[in-house]
Amino acid sequence: QVQLVQSGAEVKKPGASVKVSCKASGYTFTSYYMHWVRQAPGQGLEWMGIINPSGGSTSYAQKFQGRVTMTRDTSTSTVYMDLSSLRSEDTAVYYCARAPEYSSSSDYWGQGTLVTVSS
Amino acid sequence: DIQMTQSPSSLSASVGDRITITCRASQYISSYLNWYQQKPGKAPKLLIYAASSLQSGVPSRFSGSGSGTDFTLTISSLQPEDFATYYCQQSYSTPYTFGQGTKLEIK
Repeated sequence: QVQLVQSGAEVKKPGASVKVSCKASGYTFTSYYMHWVRQAPGQGLEWMGIINPSGGSTSYAQKFQGRVTMTRDTSTSTVYMDLSSLRSEDTAVYYCARAPEYSSSSDYWGQGTLVTVSS
Repeated sequence: DIQMTQSPSSLSASVGDRITITCRASQYISSYLNWYQQKPGKAPKLLIYAASSLQSGVPSRFSGSGSGTDFTLTISSLQPEDFATYYCQQSYSTPYTFGQGTKLEIK
């Protein structure tokens, strides 16, 4: 069965970086895109970007350009989301979510990773 | 960026009711519209993709319609497990923006 298992919760200081992982199983890793979506406490969903695990190409929301990097490791079927220059507003649950095509919905989601930014 | 506006923001209803949630895009998005359900502390769950296609395993009481800029999600007969927050999302052009959410509560 399809599973996306994310890394554990993180606590970071302002200005630091965080790297969240998402390990995929149960399907052909390179045949599906992966989105990253975040949700601040009590708030809605915010799309951050997408990576094509096949070639590694990415597209990021303008809001995160220069601060976010999405990468993948095909040998372990894992995608990573690296967010730098953290500020308190980045405190959120970060989700990875699989998509069959570039412009399609996300049919499977990871369990979420809480990143807390606090001094 | 394409803005997605949902209405209402919250809704109180009873088990067995028929409810409709509306989502409006700030510009044309064809049928690139998806609906998700989210329960507290859980990841979103895909209900409807491409405006009107029911995701596998989702009960048939959920349906979606619309194209262009105006879309609706309908639940034909509310069940206790349907009380949650619902989000629309456009996947027409990046950034793939979400609506602000509609919280469905028990009356």
